[in-house]
Amino acid sequence: DSGVTQTPKHLITATGQRVTLRCSPRSGDLSVYWYQQSLDQGLQFLIQYYNGEERAKGNILERFSAQQFPDLHSELNLSSLELGDSALYFCASSAGDSYSNQPQHFGDGTRLSIL
Amino acid sequence: AQKITQTQPGMFVQEKEAVTLDCTYDTSDPSYGLFWYKQPSSGEMIFLIYQGSYDQQNATEGRYSLNFQKARKSANLVISASQLGDSAMYFCAMREPNQAGTALIFGKGTTLSVSS
Repeated sequence: DSGVTQTPKHLITATGQRVTLRCSPRSGDLSVYWYQQSLDQGLQFLIQYYNGEERAKGNILERFSAQQFPDLHSELNLSSLELGDSALYFCASSAGDSYSNQPQHFGDGTRLSIL
Repeated sequence: AQKITQTQPGMFVQEKEAVTLDCTYDTSDPSYGLFWYKQPSSGEMIFLIYQGSYDQQNATEGRYSLNFQKARKSANLVISASQLGDSAMYFCAMREPNQAGTALIFGKGTTLSVSS
């Protein structure tokens, strides 16, 4: 058990809809990262928050947004969903910020299926 | 250009044998970290081992060790005494902490199959 909790584990929805994925980091970790894993793109970094502030953006679409709350949990919002958004979405956390070499610990992921 | 290259799409090994999974990386930053993760068929990502660019010794964690050759920019994962439960996808990843805000950059992965 990595200590990172993601909900829900599975999500099935239709094109055009909006969903929210939730992540609780490990106790004490201030950084939260979101990654997308798809068959064609592999594992790609989406966005990072550190202690409530956005720290870095990767290949995140404008239709996607995220935030980190004062209790450090994070949510990833995906809107106007398309078939190509079907993927496994991971949340990871680490104690430090982007200048640290500490490992990131991953949650079990949310598998999103768009019908 | 690819930052992390894993050239072996699939590897096959018998139980109790050792196996090496290859990883080469590309960076001009003197400070970086290299990570290996395991992803079983159930989907979760499990952190295995970490090597810092300034670490003098190769990292080891139980049956996992990292063959770090800095000049060749390679960070191969060695799994000793393979077990059936080692069958999974293995990802090499890099972090360049001097680049503001970077996260992990992953390779495409290597599928390891362990047979009895």
